[in-house]
Amino acid sequence: AQKVTQAQTEISVVEKEDVTLDCVYETRDTTYYLFWYKQPPSGELVFLIRRNSFDEQNEISGRYSWNFQKSTSSFNFTITASQVVDSAVYFCALSGPFSGAGSYQLTFGKGTKLSVIP
Amino acid sequence: EAQVTQNPRYLITVTGKKLTVTCSQNMNHEYMSWYRQDPGLGLRQIYYSMNVEVTDKGDVPEGYKVSRKEKRNFPLILESPSPNQTSLYFCASSLSAGRYLAFFGQGTRLTVV
Repeated sequence: AQKVTQAQTEISVVEKEDVTLDCVYETRDTTYYLFWYKQPPSGELVFLIRRNSFDEQNEISGRYSWNFQKSTSSFNFTITASQVVDSAVYFCALSGPFSGAGSYQLTFGKGTKLSVIP
Repeated sequence: EAQVTQNPRYLITVTGKKLTVTCSQNMNHEYMSWYRQDPGLGLRQIYYSMNVEVTDKGDVPEGYKVSRKEKRNFPLILESPSPNQTSLYFCASSLSAGRYLAFFGQGTRLTVV
């Protein structure tokens, strides 16, 4: 069975600090995708990034960066120079395999609530 | 504009009164699913549909029904709602299975009293 663990339930940082949100996953599949979603106070889910199981390159997008390490089954998310607008709940998610049984699964972690204090 | 539309956005109802939350997508996606979000539990899948007339249970299907008579629509039916179904519900659609990006609706906040 798949599992996604976001051990940090809540994090508070002061504006301009860097913050890393941890995500550890478990799967027996050799092919899968990993996602990060942001849920601001307004409630909608905002897609941030998707990485496939073959691509361990780290990615940077502005103040956001992601570190994918298959060896430790982790897909961590770092916000550099945090801003108040980054305050939200962040979810990590794991897909099923590209095809076959379980390919329709999308398993979410329980989320990490980030509060950025001015 | 590509989107998944849920209605209503907010609903307060009483125990036992049947209700339907509608979900519609305009992207011709095969795959649609319903999730519920509860504090401290993240999003959990209720039901999913691989195509018209093909549905299957997710992790928490008890107390819910779905139907997929048309590709674009995937309503969630609560035949006899109970207070433990008070939650935030999300509908999602994608081209196929998890390898494709899921588009989420805006969410429906349901309160059962």
